[in-house]
Amino acid sequence: GENVEQHPSTLSVQEGDSAVIKCTYSDSASNYFPWYKQELGKGPQLIIDIRSNVGEKKDQRIAVTLNKTAKHFSLHITETQPEDSAVYFCAASKGSNYQLIWGAGTKLIIKP
Amino acid sequence: KAGVTQTPRYLIKTRGQQVTLSCSPISGHRSVSWYQQTPGQGLQFLFEYFSETQRNKGNFPGRFSGRQFSNSRSEMNVSTLELGDSALYLCASSLSLAGDNEQFFGPGTRLTVL
Repeated sequence: GENVEQHPSTLSVQEGDSAVIKCTYSDSASNYFPWYKQELGKGPQLIIDIRSNVGEKKDQRIAVTLNKTAKHFSLHITETQPEDSAVYFCAASKGSNYQLIWGAGTKLIIKP
Repeated sequence: KAGVTQTPRYLIKTRGQQVTLSCSPISGHRSVSWYQQTPGQGLQFLFEYFSETQRNKGNFPGRFSGRQFSNSRSEMNVSTLELGDSALYLCASSLSLAGDNEQFFGPGTRLTVL
């Protein structure tokens, strides 16, 4: 079945630097790739998503890139701030009738 | 607009008991998904309900079951509780099927099995 691998499991960066989290998926039929952020004590929240007909999407300091050939997609956060500290999850799906397959999560730590 | 609500927020049970968790989705949302979250296992998908029908199911034993009512509210039941069932149970709702739509998560129910 579909599998999503997420790396690294923990990422520590200096405030103001960039952070990159990478996910690899196994099913080439996957066409929807969301990223969720989970802050301490809260449920995950969608921060950005991308569909297979697009190679890159940006929203202010956050961007996601998709490489369908290599079957991987990445989350890029620029100019990191303390409030970016959280656990980030990637996921992949083949469409509305299928379940999302989730990565294991990355704990992002922003050092002051 | 009210968010996803889950009740109860905390629950302590003993092995062998059963438990029912409740989830009220955002008004107008027709899909409800349930997840189990443990520190070492991330988010594990349990099942998704849409228009009172189970649409997808994860790899959990039959002790885990759910249902959805006509008003889209959903319940999840775990029978014959085991110590390993201790976890945060998250509910998420979406306008349509969750496979390619934004999911809105509730705060979760923290279940402790003693």
